[in-house]
Amino acid sequence: ETGVTQSPTHLIKTRGQQVTLRCSSQSGHNTVSWYQQALGQGPQFIFQYYREEENGRGNFPPRFSGLQFPNYSSELNVNALELDDSALYLCASSLAGVNTEAFFGQGTRLTVV
Amino acid sequence: AQTVTQSQPEMSVQEAETVTLSCTYDTSESNYYLFWYKQPPSRQMILVIRQEAYKQQNATENRFSVNFQKAAKSFSLKISDSQLGDTAMYFCAFILHNAGNMLTFGGGTRLMVKP
Repeated sequence: ETGVTQSPTHLIKTRGQQVTLRCSSQSGHNTVSWYQQALGQGPQFIFQYYREEENGRGNFPPRFSGLQFPNYSSELNVNALELDDSALYLCASSLAGVNTEAFFGQGTRLTVV
Repeated sequence: AQTVTQSQPEMSVQEAETVTLSCTYDTSESNYYLFWYKQPPSRQMILVIRQEAYKQQNATENRFSVNFQKAAKSFSLKISDSQLGDTAMYFCAFILHNAGNMLTFGGGTRLMVKP
């Protein structure tokens, strides 16, 4: 059973650019969610995908968008990067249903300069 | 909207001793789950313990136990026989029933276990 893997592990982008972060969910998991964790803070929920459809979104602007593919892997896209987008981006996957545990990846550290 | 508050930014404990981390939350819902996650320097969030709100009995997992006070909306974590490997950030988190992975996290407590 493979765990949740994220790529890349680190990334540096320039303000105004666009970035795509990737997440492979744990085998058999059909729900993926993304979190932004600023330095020294707790993770903030961005959005969640279930069976390729977004079914929950936190307080993030539309320039944060995502996709989920038929194999349940996922992408997080951020357009028009701002300095405040610098953070650790975490992906979590689970099997939809009651009493299921979310498993997290090790995150992508994004630095916007 | 739900909120989670951790009032202790940093704590330290001697190896083999006991430490308690505090967490309070706010919600108008009655059916939810509470969690404690550990985030070591490797950055990966690891589930430590979970509590279903409908259960009155406090959850325990080996050296980890919680004190769940539903009326007070309090959910503290007790770590017994602290070990050096317990050094990490600890996050309290909340999720509504049937909300998938839509967790609300607190700001975290940095725990240092000293030899």
